[in-house]
Amino acid sequence: GAVVSQHPSWVICKSGTSVKIECRSLDFQATTMFWYRQFPKQSLMLMATSNEGSKATYEQGVEKDKFLINHASLTLSTLTVTSAHPEDSSFYICSARASGRAEQYFGPGTRLTVT
Amino acid sequence: GQQLNQSPQSMFIQEGEDVSMNCTSSSIFNTWLWYKQDPGEGPVLLIALYKAGELTSNGRLTAQFGITRKDSFLNISASIPSDVGIYFCAVPGGSNYKLTFGKGTLLTVNP
Repeated sequence: GAVVSQHPSWVICKSGTSVKIECRSLDFQATTMFWYRQFPKQSLMLMATSNEGSKATYEQGVEKDKFLINHASLTLSTLTVTSAHPEDSSFYICSARASGRAEQYFGPGTRLTVT
Repeated sequence: GQQLNQSPQSMFIQEGEDVSMNCTSSSIFNTWLWYKQDPGEGPVLLIALYKAGELTSNGRLTAQFGITRKDSFLNISASIPSDVGIYFCAVPGGSNYKLTFGKGTLLTVNP
């Protein structure tokens, strides 16, 4: 149980275009979903927290107009990187938490490369 | 904010050896989580601890929630090559249970 999927697993896009990443909880309802970014050989950096049906809460320094997050249902959250630039190239990972539970279950990650 | 001190930063061991790593903090927590991350993958939850003094096993892995609630330990017995990866401790906090992570322990197992 507690499986989280992400799609796509990798994507290459041109500078200036937008990319959408999906995160799904497959066998539980995710009250809260989280989006992280990870640079090589570093720990995960939280970008934003989203609760189903509410606006996402962004961490300091994360541009909410650039990283659009939608959590429209209890099993799906999306992250859209708008007007992507090469510096947005990174490994993006989502996680999900069920109501009343502290543990987060992570997706397999999405490798974004902006050329 | 909360800070977790995870050690060691890296370990190089021979297959079959036991491994021990730990996380400490100056703050008290109600939950400790241990994750493993393979290269190019998302972290996988190994063990969740909910009570001070709790000792929980998952196969060859054993983790303990320190009695002071300020630390936790993860032990791996009889290591095998597939144990290679980065191990993170984490604690949830706040109304959304946001995770604070340790900096990770990179484990290398020589066959």
